[in-house]
Amino acid sequence: EPEVTQTPSHQVTQMGQEVILRCVPISNHLYFYWYRQILGQKVEFLVSFYNNEISEKSEIFDDQFSVERPDGSNFTLKIRSTKLEDSAMYFCASSDMRGPYNEQFFGPGTRLTVL
Amino acid sequence: GESVGLHLPTLSVQEGDNSIINCAYSNSASDYFIWYKQESGKGPQFIIDIRSNMDKRQGQRVTVLLNKTVKHLSLQIAATQPGDSAVYFCAENSGGSNYKLTFGKGTLLTVNP
Repeated sequence: EPEVTQTPSHQVTQMGQEVILRCVPISNHLYFYWYRQILGQKVEFLVSFYNNEISEKSEIFDDQFSVERPDGSNFTLKIRSTKLEDSAMYFCASSDMRGPYNEQFFGPGTRLTVL
Repeated sequence: GESVGLHLPTLSVQEGDNSIINCAYSNSASDYFIWYKQESGKGPQFIIDIRSNMDKRQGQRVTVLLNKTVKHLSLQIAATQPGDSAVYFCAENSGGSNYKLTFGKGTLLTVNP
């Protein structure tokens, strides 16, 4: 069964450093998303991406964040200068653009720890 | 010290019992709802969905009920098994073209053997 994959599973970085989180969405999907989940809290939407551009972003997704689809398979989230409060699980998701009622498939997540 | 954000609603049941997990949503314009299961250290896993033009939908051992009048969603799990132990999130989609999901807080289900 096709699945969303994410690397690395755990990333530890120093405050102020740049990190890139990587995702490989399901191959025939067209919509891509990043969500984050701070420990013990609910999953929060960050950004959606379609046709090589951002479709929608939340207030969390400020100028420190960017997304890119550098090739036909990868979808990345970059945080330019990490802050302590960026520590969270980051989930990538993808969906098939067939109608408005489409299931989003989530990856296993990357745990980001900012020291 | 106090642990902010770690106080999930919890439900503890015996194996074989039926479980009911509830969720209140806020956006009356939401037209699509999904229940996700999240096991420790994993991403959310789709369980069942329902559109706003339905009141009830059944899957394998799971049923979702939607009450639009009071903006309430419930997930019923029949014959709960230890493998059902997880955090369960409801998520809503308010429509539009981008289909972002807004997640609820989550409920921790513990199944005792």
